[in-house]
Amino acid sequence: EAEVAQSPRYKITEKSQAVAFWCDPISGHATLYWYRQILGQGPELLVQFQDESVVDDSQLPKDRFSAERLKGVDSTLKIQPAELGDSAMYLCASSGDGSSYNEQFFGPGTRLTVL
Amino acid sequence: AQSVTQLGSHVSVSEGALVLLRCNYSSSVPPYLFWYVQYPNQGLQLLLKYTSAATLVKGINGFEAEFKKSETSFHLTKPSAHMSDAAEYFCAVIKTGFQKLVFGTGTRLLVSP
Repeated sequence: EAEVAQSPRYKITEKSQAVAFWCDPISGHATLYWYRQILGQGPELLVQFQDESVVDDSQLPKDRFSAERLKGVDSTLKIQPAELGDSAMYLCASSGDGSSYNEQFFGPGTRLTVL
Repeated sequence: AQSVTQLGSHVSVSEGALVLLRCNYSSSVPPYLFWYVQYPNQGLQLLLKYTSAATLVKGINGFEAEFKKSETSFHLTKPSAHMSDAAEYFCAVIKTGFQKLVFGTGTRLLVSP
């Protein structure tokens, strides 16, 4: 069964360091999402890609976060510099054609701890 | 703006008892509504979705939810809880014509023997 892959699963870093997370969506899925889930809360969308283009990054803290999906397949989310408040689960999801009907399939997430 | 409110951050039931997790939505137009389940340190899995077809939606693992426009609710139920149902459950909404999922704060289901 096709799955969304994410790595690493866990990351511990010190504040002011740079971190990067990788996501490989289900093959053929045009839409890719990055969510941040703070402990005890629901996921919040950070950025949405349609193929290689960003269609929504309104909640992405652009002073320190960046995301790319250069070839419209896999994606990288970067934080530089990391802050204590960035400790959270970072979830990647993908869906087929970006319509509102489409199920979003989630990866296992990357749990980031910033010390 | 579209939003959902989940009543109760924690719900405890005994194995074999009815599970009822509450979700109310706020929307000026008919929304699409979803329930997701999240097991510890894992991603989210779709349980079921409402997309304006039948108001009673059946999902995986014996769960179902009923869309009630008059009450702006989409509560999740299961007749008989199993230990394996212990997890975090999230209600979510998408405004029709858009793609952005907005999640509730989640309800942790605890199942005791």
